[in-house]
Amino acid sequence: DAGVTQSPTHLIKTRGQQVTLRCSPKSGHDTVSWYQQALGQGPQFIFQYYEEEERQRGNFPDRFSGHQFPNYSSELNVNALLLGDSALYLCASSGLRGDEQFFGPGTRLTVL
Amino acid sequence: AQSVSQHNHHVILSEAASLELGCNYSYGGTVNLFWYVQYPGQHLQLLLKYFSGDPLVKGIKGFEAEFIKSKFSFNLRKPSVQWSDTAEYFCAVKAPGRRALTFGSGTRLQVQP
Repeated sequence: DAGVTQSPTHLIKTRGQQVTLRCSPKSGHDTVSWYQQALGQGPQFIFQYYEEEERQRGNFPDRFSGHQFPNYSSELNVNALLLGDSALYLCASSGLRGDEQFFGPGTRLTVL
Repeated sequence: AQSVSQHNHHVILSEAASLELGCNYSYGGTVNLFWYVQYPGQHLQLLLKYFSGDPLVKGIKGFEAEFIKSKFSFNLRKPSVQWSDTAEYFCAVKAPGRRALTFGSGTRLQVQP
């Protein structure tokens, strides 16, 4: 049973560029949440997708957007990258009850 | 808004020592509580969780946590740590019906052989 997978593993971008990160949820899960984990910090909630719609959003600017596909996989897009966007981006999936979230390995984004 | 405080940022212990990591949260209502662990080079994994019932929760690898409602605390404990417990530990809170986990800033545990 595959867990949560994310791609790519690492990514280097320059300021002002745009990036797309991808996530496939754990088998049987239909809800995907995205978190940003800056160095030395705990993960911070960006948003959650269910039934292809954004259901809740954290305190992140509109430069952060997402999408969920019919197969429940999801993308996180970040526009106009800033140096401060450098972080580990985590995807978590959960099932119908949503009580427990399972995390993927993350995508390490470096903005130069 | 919910917040989670982990006061111990870096803990160094010798093998076989006992462990207690503090976690306090601020939220007035019922919450779901979690401890996650992040081993070096690995992804976040759930150690244990509390939703309701017995406030003493047992998790994987010999870890346990106690929910004390009056103190808004959910401290993690292990009677005897091993070198393999070296990792970063995160406490997290979720309000029922809410979708987001709110994490503390983490505690880095270093166990010396």
